[in-house]
Amino acid sequence: AQSVTQPDIHITVSEGASLELRCNYSYGATPYLFWYVQSPGQGLQLLLKYFSGDTLVQGIKGFEAEFKRSQSSFNLRKPSVHWSDAAEYFCAVGSDSNYQLIWGAGTKLIIKP
Amino acid sequence: DAGVTQSPTHLIKTRGQQVTLRCSPKSGHDTVSWYQQALGQGPQFIFQYYEEEERQRGNFPDRFSGHQFPNYSSELNVNALLLGDSALYLCASSLGGLETQYFGPGTRLLVL
Repeated sequence: AQSVTQPDIHITVSEGASLELRCNYSYGATPYLFWYVQSPGQGLQLLLKYFSGDTLVQGIKGFEAEFKRSQSSFNLRKPSVHWSDAAEYFCAVGSDSNYQLIWGAGTKLIIKP
Repeated sequence: DAGVTQSPTHLIKTRGQQVTLRCSPKSGHDTVSWYQQALGQGPQFIFQYYEEEERQRGNFPDRFSGHQFPNYSSELNVNALLLGDSALYLCASSLGGLETQYFGPGTRLLVL
């Protein structure tokens, strides 16, 4: 079955510290992978995506993610978080033969001052 | 350049009623997808419209139906509302299929 797992429901990080959000997927086809961020009362904003090529992808707001096929993972990282990064982060997977995005349950990021 | 817009922003209905939600895609986009996001969960794919046809459907009952107009805007209709239909309904537009989807702010539906 196709699925996306985000193991951490909540993560608390001090401002200025590094961040890694985990995403594991189970998908039959070659995956297209996405990270989105959702701030309270706002829609989902795309941070970055991986379709093919270089497995380390750069996104907006200083985020990056690394695709590891052997581990079925697509973890999101940021070297130094800012208070404005507090939000909910979603990982999603799709493919070129399936228009449906499968989403994880999200990880809520809390920033400590 | 206007992004994806949705209306209304909030809606309260009672069980058994019907509701219509509306979405205008980002300029230049021809594909609209609808998602349901229950509280504390990730979005669930309802269906996608392209060239005024439903191209793919997720695991939702027939009570959920949609339409796409020649200007690419779209409607989501839900009949015979259940309490469990209470959720944030998100519309996303894209050019083609699974290219980057741009999301609207959503419509918050509460069914009493």
